[in-house]
Amino acid sequence: GQQVMQIPQYQHVQEGEDFTTYCNSSTTLSNIQWYKQRPGGHPVFLIQLVKSGEVKKQKRLTFQFGEAKKNSSLHITATQTTDVGTYFCAADRGSTLGRLYFGRGTQLTVWP
Amino acid sequence: SQTIHQWPATLVQPVGSPLSLECTVEGTSNPNLYWYRQAAGRGLQLLFYSIGIDQISSEVPQNLSASRPQDRQFILSSKKLLLSDSGFYLCARYDRTGVIWGYTFGSGTRLTVV
Repeated sequence: GQQVMQIPQYQHVQEGEDFTTYCNSSTTLSNIQWYKQRPGGHPVFLIQLVKSGEVKKQKRLTFQFGEAKKNSSLHITATQTTDVGTYFCAADRGSTLGRLYFGRGTQLTVWP
Repeated sequence: SQTIHQWPATLVQPVGSPLSLECTVEGTSNPNLYWYRQAAGRGLQLLFYSIGIDQISSEVPQNLSASRPQDRQFILSSKKLLLSDSGFYLCARYDRTGVIWGYTFGSGTRLTVV
């Protein structure tokens, strides 16, 4: 069954608008990771969140890990066309090293 | 660097034909290695993972198999391909950089079974 729920599946925004994708797990996580896959490319690691309530920023990207360590979000401020791609969360339940459960991804389209 | 080499980049194979996809990695020794499949427009499905030579764990029963004959070599195989085997196959390793753990993916093989 679906281990990690990620919404929305698709998001279309105009350049300059903000974007958020959400990831939810039914179980408490050891950590959560985020990956970006450009069209035609392979997933690339963005960040790992480990601590309850953790917030990390990378330029216009803000990543949050929930207090209960069951949910996470990625927010992009003022999207640019270079942000186009699919964003995946990957949940680590801490059972087996490297055994992550990927969300289905949010495909972001940015209109110029 | 934790570089991953995958080949070929694209492959078109007829139904019933065999398959062999090879992945070789550079970087630290004894990496955890993974094979993922991504159907068109879909998420990532873990197929196999390996924590060492000749140690393979299967996540999904199917007509695919994996082998790890050397520390830095991970092979995905099939004796007879099905149409449903079409997809984007990604090899990955899981490593720590400082205190941060994460996957490094290869550039993938796009397989079309016709």
